[in-house]
Amino acid sequence: GAVVSQHPSWVICKSGTSVKIECRSLDFQATTMFWYRQFPKQSLMLMATSNEGSKATYEQGVEKDKFLINHASLTLSTLTVTSAHPEDSSFYICSAKGLVSYEQYFGPGTRLTVT
Amino acid sequence: QKEVEQDPGPLSVPEGAIVSLNCTYSNSAFQYFMWYRQYSRKGPELLMYTYSSGNKEDGRFTAQVDKSSKYISLFIRDSQPSDSATYLCAMRSPNEKLTFGTGTRLTIIP
Repeated sequence: GAVVSQHPSWVICKSGTSVKIECRSLDFQATTMFWYRQFPKQSLMLMATSNEGSKATYEQGVEKDKFLINHASLTLSTLTVTSAHPEDSSFYICSAKGLVSYEQYFGPGTRLTVT
Repeated sequence: QKEVEQDPGPLSVPEGAIVSLNCTYSNSAFQYFMWYRQYSRKGPELLMYTYSSGNKEDGRFTAQVDKSSKYISLFIRDSQPSDSATYLCAMRSPNEKLTFGTGTRLTIIP
């Protein structure tokens, strides 16, 4: 099956700093990538959708200037949390979808802790 | 009202029992209906998907969709301790967005 990786798997940063999370599709070309956030004991909430070479589309309530998404190639998307605060601490998960597939393949997630 | 409702549990059953997990939804535009399994601190993995009313079977798993009632179910037969995980239902809209339920935490007791 298709494999999606995320890096890092766990990151701790200080309040006010920025952190970048990478999402890679390892064995297929991902025309669309999705970024989700999951708080403890809650479901996955879609943050944004990005198509390769285009600007990301953000869900209502998600600050696009705070969560910068770049999808510059068919195998890599990045999420940068700028000026992170403790309330941004969460589990961030990406998924990737190819052009002809309906299925989203999920990465293993990145746990962000902001101190 | 949430678009997708799912009982968060937790649900504990003895090994070998049949497990029934359910979700209801309110958006008639949902086209695909999925069940994902998520282990702690891991990304979700797709178990089953359906797009029409009826049953779909895959090994010990059966997915059931009733579009008229806006109700979906996942049945696990001969449950095993390795089935212990959080099960998430998800619905796919025509714009390819997935809307997830809150997940049901399942524990199979040996």
